Amino acid sequence: AQTVTQSQPEMSVQEAETVTLSCTYDTSESNYYLFWYKQPPSRQMILVIRQEAYKQQNATENRFSVNFQKAAKSFSLKISDSQLGDTAMYFCAFGRGTGNQFYFGTGTSLTVIP
Amino acid sequence: DAGITQSPRHKVTETGTPVTLRCHQTENHRYMYWYRQDPGHGLRLIHYSYGVKDTDKGEVSDGYSVSRSKTEDFLLTLESATSSQTSVYFCAISESKRLVGEQFFGPGTRLTVL
Repeated sequence: AQTVTQSQPEMSVQEAETVTLSCTYDTSESNYYLFWYKQPPSRQMILVIRQEAYKQQNATENRFSVNFQKAAKSFSLKISDSQLGDTAMYFCAFGRGTGNQFYFGTGTSLTVIP
Repeated sequence: DAGITQSPRHKVTETGTPVTLRCHQTENHRYMYWYRQDPGHGLRLIHYSYGVKDTDKGEVSDGYSVSRSKTEDFLLTLESATSSQTSVYFCAISESKRLVGEQFFGPGTRLTVL
């Protein structure tokens, strides 16, 4: 079975600063994908970034980047130049290579302080 | 935004009554999912569908049933609602079979069982 662990229930960061959210996972599969989703107060789930496990290069999307350490089964999200609109719950998710099932972590609530 | 709607958006019901939640998509995606979101648990998969009349259980399927008679509609039924089923329910869709693709989420349904 796959498990996803987010050990930081809550975090805060000053506006314009950088913050890193942690995620670890456990799997015996070799082909999988990892995702970070953002859930603002509107409750809508929004994909932030995606990483294919077979790619060594870390994914980047504008101010968002990941540090993917496959051997350590770690997948952290770095948010640079934090903005007030980044205030949200962030979920790490694991996707199996087949079957399309996702497994989510328990989430990290991020608050950006003006 | 992916065309996914959920109905109703809010519902209050009493213990022991049947409840049906509807997910409707206009994207013609093959896969559809029902999750529940609870504090401290993140999102947990209830049931999913990989085609019309093809469904399978997720990790928290007890007390729930689903049906998919058309590509665009995926129904979640609580045969006899219990207070433990008070939650926010999300529907999601995705397309890829072999390649794990992004899951697109609906706006959620808040269900309260008294």
